[in-house]
Amino acid sequence: QVQLQQWGAGLLKPSETLSLTCAVYGGSFSGGSLNDYYWSWIRQSPGKGLEWIGEINHSGSTNYNPSLKSRVTMSVDTSNNQFSLALSSVTAADTAVYYCARQKFYSFYYGMDVWGQGTTVSVSS
Amino acid sequence: QSVLTQPPSASGTPGQRVTISCSGSSSNIGSNYVYWYQQLPGTAPKLLIYRSNQRPSGVPDRFSGSKSGTSASLAISGLRSEDEAEYYCSAWDDSLSGPWVFGGGTKVTVL
Repeated sequence: QVQLQQWGAGLLKPSETLSLTCAVYGGSFSGGSLNDYYWSWIRQSPGKGLEWIGEINHSGSTNYNPSLKSRVTMSVDTSNNQFSLALSSVTAADTAVYYCARQKFYSFYYGMDVWGQGTTVSVSS
Repeated sequence: QSVLTQPPSASGTPGQRVTISCSGSSSNIGSNYVYWYQQLPGTAPKLLIYRSNQRPSGVPDRFSGSKSGTSASLAISGLRSEDEAEYYCSAWDDSLSGPWVFGGGTKVTVL
């Protein structure tokens, strides 16, 4: 049973950098010879819907949300089966619950089928 | 303002069939698969439908998805109290809005 465990600072001041890490337990990080896994970050502002932030695979190939691209950096640590999110110059608008998630890709995407527990991040001076 | 448009709410009595719509455009639903997620209060979303109409293992067959043109739908048949949740559609978007876009969510209430 694959599980994602995420952590990171929960309280930030404006202009600081948000940093979150998600560890993969009980399953493959890279996929296999026939399929790949993409590791995503999604956020949900208080009382709002879901917003996709970006995704990365085990080799470091990334896709980012164009509206956040200038502030987002995602990275992988394959030796520890972890991936990370950095979001720079945060403002109150970045206050949200942040989730990590897994998505298999083999000819097509299979949907985000495993999710982390969520990390609440608040930005306040 | 979400790229995909969903009604904010839907409701039904136990046993009824409820349908949630998701409207997009040619750059997302019109040319790519649709995914549906269920989010219970205070929990992470759960994948219900992938590839527009496929259910992951463990998802009851009461949940079904369909797509036509630039719109998609999620149907819940035999509505149960535990189905009361927020439902989100999602799709890959080939335009500058993408890659992955979500609908604003639909709150399903079981009366």
